[in-house]
Amino acid sequence: EAQVTQNPRYLITVTGKKLTVTCSQNMNHEYMSWYRQDPGLGLRQIYYSMNVEVTDKGDVPEGYKVSRKEKRNFPLILESPSPNQTSLYFCASSPQESYGYTFGSGTRLTVV
Amino acid sequence: SQQGEEDPQALSIQEGENATMNCSYKTSINNLQWYRQNSGRGLVHLILIRSNEREKHSGRLRVTLDTSKKSSSLLITASRAADTASYFCATVSISSGSARQLTFGSGTQLTVLP
Repeated sequence: EAQVTQNPRYLITVTGKKLTVTCSQNMNHEYMSWYRQDPGLGLRQIYYSMNVEVTDKGDVPEGYKVSRKEKRNFPLILESPSPNQTSLYFCASSPQESYGYTFGSGTRLTVV
Repeated sequence: SQQGEEDPQALSIQEGENATMNCSYKTSINNLQWYRQNSGRGLVHLILIRSNEREKHSGRLRVTLDTSKKSSSLLITASRAADTASYFCATVSISSGSARQLTFGSGTQLTVLP
């Protein structure tokens, strides 16, 4: 089944403890992207990638890192999480810019 | 920053009625997309309309695009209770570089009453 898989689905962590949210797609898509969704603020793009080793900042990149060493994987790294990074995170992929994105099921992160 | 503003923020209709949602955006676009999100779950791509297209249909969905007004509308005909969800427009902007981003609007919460 064609899909974007995020792990974990739920995560509670403490301030400052590094964490990684994994994202993997099995559709050989070029484009991948991370979003966070917050009440009243909608979906905001964190980082995106157009291909292996090509990444760029979205609208809210502060406090996040990404890497794209392989086409299928696009992990989101929080080096030192803070409570304001508590949010619902989505990974998405697309074959190219003129196609729709396939979204993962989301990761609900709570930083205490 | 959010590219789109959607109107209305919330819409409640009876099953069988049509639902219309509007989206306005700010910059020149390559394409505009509509997504559906059931509560707390991942977004599902519904339809994409390119900047050189004016109207597109997919099943019970009809999308229009007016690039001169920087606006789009999504019409869902003969709505069903299962259409209850949040609906988002998203745009791919034409930026100065080669990178292009998908930017979402604020969303419309549609409730279809049985």
